[in-house]
Amino acid sequence: EAGVAQSPRYKIIEKRQSVAFWCNPISGHATLYWYQQILGQGPKLLIQFQNNGVVDDSQLPKDRFSAERLKGVDSTLKIQPAKLEDSAVYLCASSLDGEDRVADTQYFGPGTRLTVL
Amino acid sequence: AQRVTQPEKLLSVFKGAPVELKCNYSYSGSPELFWYVQYSRQRLQLLLRHISRESIKGFTADLNKGETSFHLKKPFAQEEDSAMYYCALMTGANNLFFGTGTRLTVIP
Repeated sequence: EAGVAQSPRYKIIEKRQSVAFWCNPISGHATLYWYQQILGQGPKLLIQFQNNGVVDDSQLPKDRFSAERLKGVDSTLKIQPAKLEDSAVYLCASSLDGEDRVADTQYFGPGTRLTVL
Repeated sequence: AQRVTQPEKLLSVFKGAPVELKCNYSYSGSPELFWYVQYSRQRLQLLLRHISRESIKGFTADLNKGETSFHLKKPFAQEEDSAMYYCALMTGANNLFFGTGTRLTVIP
């Protein structure tokens, strides 16, 4: 079974520029998550989708971050404009979304390392 | 508000020695806790979850509600255990709230 795919793996931009990340979840997984992991910290959830609907985006800085999952499969996360503090690894994860949410494992992608200069 | 505390950023033990990675949590609801691990150049992956009461790669973790802890233990550390370990609390709709992580180094 192919894992969660993310691209690009690395991105360097200057502040105030725009950037987009792409994620393709494991086939058949209904739930998709985007996390931000700043150096020295644990991953922090930005947004959760179930199919093509948003379940939780309470931690997403909506003035500059946006995300979509139009067809309920792959997803893009965009930052516009980027700030220095957005430098982080952006992780995508997916889960099957079975009946038992505790037993429903989140599978993580390799992440995209963003550097904002 | 929820909180997950991993007090040790770095932990070094000798091969064959016992290892304990500490995790304390604060949560108003019924806690559901997990340990995730990231080996060098690999993806973050689930190690174990408290509800399963399982032992994975020799690791166990017991949820202590009185002490609000979920420490990860292994009686005999191996070199391949060297990795970054994250304790995580499940909140809301399958959302994970992670601690800051502990980097374990097993010295040969």
